[in-house]
Amino acid sequence: DAGITQSPRHKVTETGTPVTLRCHQTENHRYMYWYRQDPGHGLRLIHYSYGVKDTDKGEVSDGYSVSRSKTEDFLLTLESATSSQTSVYFCAIRSMGWVNYGYTFGSGTRLTVV
Amino acid sequence: ILNVEQSPQSLHVQEGDSTNFTCSFPSSNFYALHWYRWETAKSPEALFVMTLNGDEKKKGRISATLNTKEGYSYLYIKGSQPEDSATYLCAFNRGNQFYFGTGTSLTVIP
Repeated sequence: DAGITQSPRHKVTETGTPVTLRCHQTENHRYMYWYRQDPGHGLRLIHYSYGVKDTDKGEVSDGYSVSRSKTEDFLLTLESATSSQTSVYFCAIRSMGWVNYGYTFGSGTRLTVV
Repeated sequence: ILNVEQSPQSLHVQEGDSTNFTCSFPSSNFYALHWYRWETAKSPEALFVMTLNGDEKKKGRISATLNTKEGYSYLYIKGSQPEDSATYLCAFNRGNQFYFGTGTSLTVIP
């Protein structure tokens, strides 16, 4: 996946517990994104980062926080997981060649909140 | 929140048929329009990135056009094959943010 890894790939957690998903890249790209994918909604942006410690909210950021303490890692935290956060989460990076090649996505994390 | 609409929502075609889908997006402050192909259980893969009004791009049997003034893009598949079955997503790029449509699900029947 062009140097982008998401972990874990699958997770089941209980309502009310905190959960952290990790996106790791090996290519030193500045821009990283977290999306969630739900039936009928396509991909919706949760948060994105444009550098170390530089993050901003997307369209569905409530209940989520992010951190980027180093270039290669972008962490997504569900502060207190709810059933509505059951989804597939995708991380994406924007490489220098994005105008020609688009954004690169990770393989996704399937999260189930019970 | 920007509205990026794709139509149709789903499509079933016979092998060998040609088909096309539409992506509609806001025509103001346009930066780029992306098309992605997304197979089940995989991650989206970029097909095209288009930035200029009138852009036309082609990759094999798949091509796309862009009209930024009226806010739409078409994706064409010529001579559909079963391996073309996937969801096709468009994404509107404004600044650092990306807004995806809900996709067109294509099933090519052998």
